[in-house]
Amino acid sequence: QKEVEQDPGPLSVPEGAIVSLNCTYSNSAFQYFMWYRQYSRKGPELLMYTYSSGNKEDGRFTAQVDKSSKYISLFIRDSQPSDSASYLCALSGNTDKLIFGTGTRLQVFP
Amino acid sequence: DAGVIQSPRHEVTEMGQEVTLRCKPISGHNSLFWYRQTMMRGLELLIYFNNNVPIDDSGMPEDRFSAKMPNASFSTLKIQPSEPRDSAVYFCASSLSSPDGYTFGSGTRLTVV
Repeated sequence: QKEVEQDPGPLSVPEGAIVSLNCTYSNSAFQYFMWYRQYSRKGPELLMYTYSSGNKEDGRFTAQVDKSSKYISLFIRDSQPSDSASYLCALSGNTDKLIFGTGTRLQVFP
Repeated sequence: DAGVIQSPRHEVTEMGQEVTLRCKPISGHNSLFWYRQTMMRGLELLIYFNNNVPIDDSGMPEDRFSAKMPNASFSTLKIQPSEPRDSAVYFCASSLSSPDGYTFGSGTRLTVV
């Protein structure tokens, strides 16, 4: 079993839709939870970072962590064509190294 | 700051040849990471350094892969001999020893024919 599971998609939604992206993990030692966005032929860039269970909001983006279920989510409100990219969850324990999900490819069409 | 700089951007080589990928981390960052990305396996950590010292190389696939960090501003990942299954995008990232501070380079797209 992989440490982090993420549905690769692709996920195709119309502009303005609410998007839900999810990851599950198996190691309860993970303490830091991140979402990265990766545009085609670019490196991943940090989108959201959370430390504890609960919600964190930043503009149209909300990250949610449920440690009891080992489940993390990213919600995108009012999705835009410019949100079309791959979204990768990333988790870390008490070291510097990040374990990434395989990424979900999102396409927002006008 | 110019960010994490990787070279070359693209590399096409024949099976059996030596390949060297290069990375310049962000000045002041003390951790450096090499990742490999493929469609099938996603982003896999190969090796990471802290203060120029290799900390975890458990992701290095086999002895054909080696990585060095001779100083704080330069790292190399070498594959010798290269094989077609090594074809992937190789990313370098650096951070200030904080899990929320990774900055990735633009990657090197390696094709071994």
